[in-house]
Amino acid sequence: SQKIEQNSEALNIQEGKTATLTCNYTNYSPAYLQWYRQDPGRGPVFLLLIRENEKEKRKERLKVTFDTTLKQSLFHITASQPADSATYLCALLNNAGNMLTFGGGTRLMVKP
Amino acid sequence: DTAVSQTPKYLVTQMGNDKSIKCEQNLGHDTMYWYKQDSKKFLKIMFSYNNKELIINETVPNRFSPKSPDKAHLNLHINSLELGDSAVYFCALFWTGLSSNSYEQYFGPGTRLTVT
Repeated sequence: SQKIEQNSEALNIQEGKTATLTCNYTNYSPAYLQWYRQDPGRGPVFLLLIRENEKEKRKERLKVTFDTTLKQSLFHITASQPADSATYLCALLNNAGNMLTFGGGTRLMVKP
Repeated sequence: DTAVSQTPKYLVTQMGNDKSIKCEQNLGHDTMYWYKQDSKKFLKIMFSYNNKELIINETVPNRFSPKSPDKAHLNLHINSLELGDSAVYFCALFWTGLSSNSYEQYFGPGTRLTVT
C-alpha cells in the first residue's frame, strides 16, 4: 500500500541554524510533491511544489529537494527563526492531479 | 476576503446526533474537498466534489454525506455521530494560483468537532 512517512518526533533547533525535514514515500510514483505549513488551530498553508523532473526548488529561505530514486524529499529552512515554528506536512499528488495524500507531519520548534 | 470559510469553528455535540458543517468558497472553483484531521494530526481526504458530482470518496462511512447546494458551497452532513468522529474537519479546494500547474490545496480554517 502507499505510504508517506515523516519523522513524528519534533525537531528542535536553535535560531539561525538550518532545519532539515524528511519525507519518505513508498509505492508511489508521484508527478508532484508539495510541502505545507500548519500552525495550531489553523488549516495547512501551501509552501512549495516540486515536480518529478526537478531536483531542487527554492523560495526565499526555503529549499526542497526531490529524489525519485530514493523516494525522498528534503525540506530545508535556512537561517531559521522562532516564527518558523510549526508543523510541516509533505503531500503527494496523484497522477490524475485531483487528490493529495499527506504525510503525518513533523513539528519544528526553533528556539531563540 | 477569506477564500474558503467554514462554520462553525467549534461544534460540541452528543453521540447519536446529526450535525452539519458548512463550507463556502468565493474563488469560483469547481472542485471542493473535505478532509479529516484526527488527534494524531493525520490529515486524510474524505471527499472530492466537482460541480455537483462526487469524484472521490475515500472509504468514508455512509453516515457522512457531502451536500452541494450550489457551486460555492459544499456542506458536510454527519448522521448518528460517534465518539470516533471527534476531529478537525477541513474544507479545501485546489487553487491554480499564478500558474496553471501549481496544484495548491487551499484550506479553510477548520471545524473542531467534539462528540461526547
